[in-house]
Amino acid sequence: DGGITQSPKYLFRKEGQNVTLSCEQNLNHDAMYWYRQDPGQGLRLIYYSQIVNDFQKGDIAEGYSVSREKKESFPLTVTSAQKNPTAFYLCASSNTGRKLNTEAFFGQGTRLTVV
Amino acid sequence: AQTVTQSQPEMSVQEAETVTLSCTYDTSESDYYLFWYKQPPSRQMILVIRQEAYKQQNATENRFSVNFQKAAKSFSLKISDSQLGDAAMYFCAYRTNYGGATNKLIFGTGTLLAVQP
Repeated sequence: DGGITQSPKYLFRKEGQNVTLSCEQNLNHDAMYWYRQDPGQGLRLIYYSQIVNDFQKGDIAEGYSVSREKKESFPLTVTSAQKNPTAFYLCASSNTGRKLNTEAFFGQGTRLTVV
Repeated sequence: AQTVTQSQPEMSVQEAETVTLSCTYDTSESDYYLFWYKQPPSRQMILVIRQEAYKQQNATENRFSVNFQKAAKSFSLKISDSQLGDAAMYFCAYRTNYGGATNKLIFGTGTLLAVQP
């Protein structure tokens, strides 16, 4: 079945560590997105990518990094520079432009906790 | 830059009644998509309904319909015959139809809907 898979579901990070969240899609979507969700703040865009080997910063990119080496993969690294990384992270993918099925499909999310 | 605003942090509706969730947005573009997503306690995002800006007809999906007012930049969601399973966080979202670096998908802050039995 086509879909988007995030792993792990739960992740614990020690202070000062970098961690990488995985996001894989087999929907042949061009665009992929990473969002952070905190209570009362909705979904805030961290990074997004429209095509392989290209990505743009979203509204809260500081302390995060991404890569898009393959169309189906868009991993997010939470670096030690991110001062408050505890949050729920959602990955999404979508077609671009005027195509059928233009909505974004979401993974099940990763809950990251700093210990 | 585009923005999406949901001014109702929480709403409540009686089972079988109708409720309307508000969403306004700001953009200088003319070609874009608008969406309503539902996020139940499982936190899985589920598409409720989509609207293309160049289509004047309001989208409907069973008990869900929208009131799209392009000039006013308003995109409200009406839920008819509310059911207990409709209780969730609802997000309004915007995406441009133009390609390139501006092709972001942006969300409002959400409205938490409670359904009273």
